[in-house]
Formats: sequence, structure tokens, C-alpha cells
Amino acid sequence: EVQLLESGGNLVQPGGSLRLSCAASGFTFSNYPMSWVRQAPGKGLDWVSTISGNDDRVFYADSVKGRFTISRDNSKNTLYVEMNSLRADDTAVYYCARRTISWGGFDIWGQGTMVTVSS
Amino acid sequence: EIVLTQSPATLSLSPGDRATLSCRASQSVGSHLIWYQQKLGQAPRLLIDDASNRATGIPDRFSGSGSGTDFTLTISSLEPEDFAVYYCQQRTSWPLTFGGGTKVE
Repeated sequence: EVQLLESGGNLVQPGGSLRLSCAASGFTFSNYPMSWVRQAPGKGLDWVSTISGNDDRVFYADSVKGRFTISRDNSKNTLYVEMNSLRADDTAVYYCARRTISWGGFDIWGQGTMVTVSS
Repeated sequence: EIVLTQSPATLSLSPGDRATLSCRASQSVGSHLIWYQQKLGQAPRLLIDDASNRATGIPDRFSGSGSGTDFTLTISSLEPEDFAVYYCQQRTSWPLTFGGGTKVE
């Protein structure tokens, strides 16, 4: 079964850091671009970052550029995002999502992990 | 940044009704428009890729159309499980952007 499982969400103070992980299974992880998409409570979807299958291209939303770093370990079938200088408006459910092999839509999503930034 | 505007914000319908959801882009996205369904407390689900291609396992009551700046998601006859929020997304250019969503209630 194709599956994505996020972990690492937590309550963190403003200015703090957090690292999220996403464990993939059931498909050839290195073949697919992977992304993080977030959703603030009661709000819509907000793309955060994407990394290519072989790690040679990364893309970020302006709102996280310079603060978040996406990475992947294809030997461990795991996607990461390192989040620094966290702000209250980073509070959201963070989803790990697989893009189709042709860089189309997000065809597989994890269940999400909650990040709360508050003092 | 390409802005996607979805309308209406809320669509109040009954099972068996036809639902027509709109997504308008601030500039042309060609056919690179994607639709998702999200139910309360769940992750989104891919419905339609590249404007009109149903994703694997999506019933044929869901259809997408349009190109350029104007797109439509049609649900031909609403089933009880179709009441949810629907989002469009463009993949033409970075940053990837989503519309604000249409709630079908």
C-alpha cells in the first residue's frame, strides 16, 4: 500500500525550531518529487516547498524562504523539513504530499502533523 | 504569483443535484489546473489533474473542463459522500497556488 506518514509536529515557541519527517512506503520514493503543504486551522491549503526526486531542485514559498529547508534521504525513503525562526502564522497542519511522476498534482497525501507556534 | 479565485464560496445542494464549481486564474495556466476534495478532518484527495483527467479511482460523476483562465468542476449527481470542500490548484508556475475553496453543503 502506498503510504506517507508524517511525524515531528509539536508546540513550539515563537523563534523556535522544529523538524518534521515523512516516511514513505509502497512506492519507489526516489522517482517522485515530494512536497510539504500546510493548512492553518479553518483555512485553505498553502503550498510550502517541493524537492525533486534526485534532490537537485528545490522550491519554496516566499513566506518560508530562508527559514525552512526541505531535504530527503532516498536511502531511508524519508522526506524532511527543517523549520527555523517559527512564527505564529506558521501554525498549521503540515501535510507531506507526493507529486505525480510528471510533476502534476499531489496524488498521495499523509495524514498530517500539527505544528503550533505559541508562547 | 498566480491567484486562483473559486466561486461560489458555498454551494447548498441536495443529493442527486448537479454541482458546478468555478475556478478562475489571474493569468493563463494553460491546462495545468488540478482539483482536490477535502472532507472534514481528512487530507485532501486528488480528483482531477490537468483540467480534465480524472485521477485513479475517481468516479465518473466528477468531470473537469476549461483552459487558460476559466475552469469548471462538475459533479453530475451528488452522492452523500460528495459533500466536502473542493480546492483548485495551478502547477504552471512557482509558487504553486491554491484557490480558497468551495464548500458543497
